[in-house]
Amino acid sequence: SQELEQSPQSLIVQEGKNLTINCTSSKTLYGLYWYKQKYGEGLIFLMMLQKGGEEKSHEKITAKLDEKKQQSSLHITASQPSHAGIYLCGADRRDYKLSFGAGTTVTVRA
Amino acid sequence: DTAVSQTPKYLVTQMGNDKSIKCEQNLGHDTMYWYKQDSKKFLKIMFSYNNKELIINETVPNRFSPKSPDKAHLNLHINSLELGDSAVYFCASSPSLISNQPQHFGDGTRLSIL
Repeated sequence: SQELEQSPQSLIVQEGKNLTINCTSSKTLYGLYWYKQKYGEGLIFLMMLQKGGEEKSHEKITAKLDEKKQQSSLHITASQPSHAGIYLCGADRRDYKLSFGAGTTVTVRA
Repeated sequence: DTAVSQTPKYLVTQMGNDKSIKCEQNLGHDTMYWYKQDSKKFLKIMFSYNNKELIINETVPNRFSPKSPDKAHLNLHINSLELGDSAVYFCASSPSLISNQPQHFGDGTRLSIL
């Protein structure tokens, strides 16, 4: 099993509805990064969380870090077609790299 | 201006050939990385360099050889390409090796082995 598990693997949401993606680590987290990937493009940095209980928001996207549970969630409010893509969480374990989850594919239906 | 640029974007070649992928960053970062993304979208680190010095070599076959002529460039040369090398290869950079700094990614190179 992977060290960083993302759920769900994929989801389809009606435009205007909310959605949540979870990322759970089996090892100690020193930081958690969220990226978004569109087909044929690179990874776009969304947010970085470092402290337990930390919460950050950008436009309609909010991410939280539960350090005790070694878990992070990404929440999108009132989804739009522009939110479609693959969301990846990356773990910072202070080993000079990011370890990524397998990604969550988000489809937004009009 | 593109921050992290990779060339080529697409690469289709025969098994057994040798090919190179180039990466350049204009962010002034000290650290650069190569990641491989397989068909299941799983992204895994291959190499990292800091100021032209190899830091991470994550059990990658010897057929893969990174080269960093200066800290703004990190190229990837692959010898004797195999079918399993088909993937998307991403270059990334970060200000330094210190944690709490996001990595910036290129658009990827889609390698297909025939």
